[in-house]
Amino acid sequence: RKEVEQDPGPFNVPEGATVAFNCTYSNSASQSFFWYRQDCRKEPKLLMSVYSSGNEDGRFTAQLNRASQYISLLIRDSKLSDSATYLCVVSNQAGTALIFGKGTTLSVSS
Amino acid sequence: NAGVTQTPKFQVLKTGQSMTLQCAQDMNHNSMYWYRQDPGMGLRLIYYSASEGTTDKGEVPNGYNVSRLNKREFSLRLESAAPSQTSVYFCASSAGYRDTQYFGPGTRLTVL
Repeated sequence: RKEVEQDPGPFNVPEGATVAFNCTYSNSASQSFFWYRQDCRKEPKLLMSVYSSGNEDGRFTAQLNRASQYISLLIRDSKLSDSATYLCVVSNQAGTALIFGKGTTLSVSS
Repeated sequence: NAGVTQTPKFQVLKTGQSMTLQCAQDMNHNSMYWYRQDPGMGLRLIYYSASEGTTDKGEVPNGYNVSRLNKREFSLRLESAAPSQTSVYFCASSAGYRDTQYFGPGTRLTVL
């Protein structure tokens, strides 16, 4: 099992749609979880941290299931500006660095 | 407050040439990182520095060396560039290992 796995997509959705991304990780001892966003030919930027109790930031909701080693990101009311690649990020087994998934590409159309 | 800066933005090298990629952060972060990003491969960690004076290998360190010059600066050196090192290189910094990482704008390197 790869350390962090994501469905690469692309996910093509219309404006206003709700879309969900999933991510699985292999290290049961991971302590830190994030979703990053990367626009084409730009640097990754933090979208949100993921907490055990789940957390929400506007239209974005992140969930963590430690038992299943599964993280999700839900985007409601998609905007054109949400088009990007979303990276699932988990701390490594040694706790010394972060491991980035390969990303899921979202394309929102009008 | 510039965050993380990288120079140069673009570079073309010939096989066998050497160069140093520069990275600096002004957020007083302890940890700094160098990644490469290739199509279909995602971000892969080359080297990292947990704190000033320490460096450690990441997933793909071969062909690279690093220097943590001081708390602000972390450079990546290619001693003898190879076409396989054609990539986009990102520098990042964070307060600690498990904290949010902030990325620089990247260096697009082509080795002919």
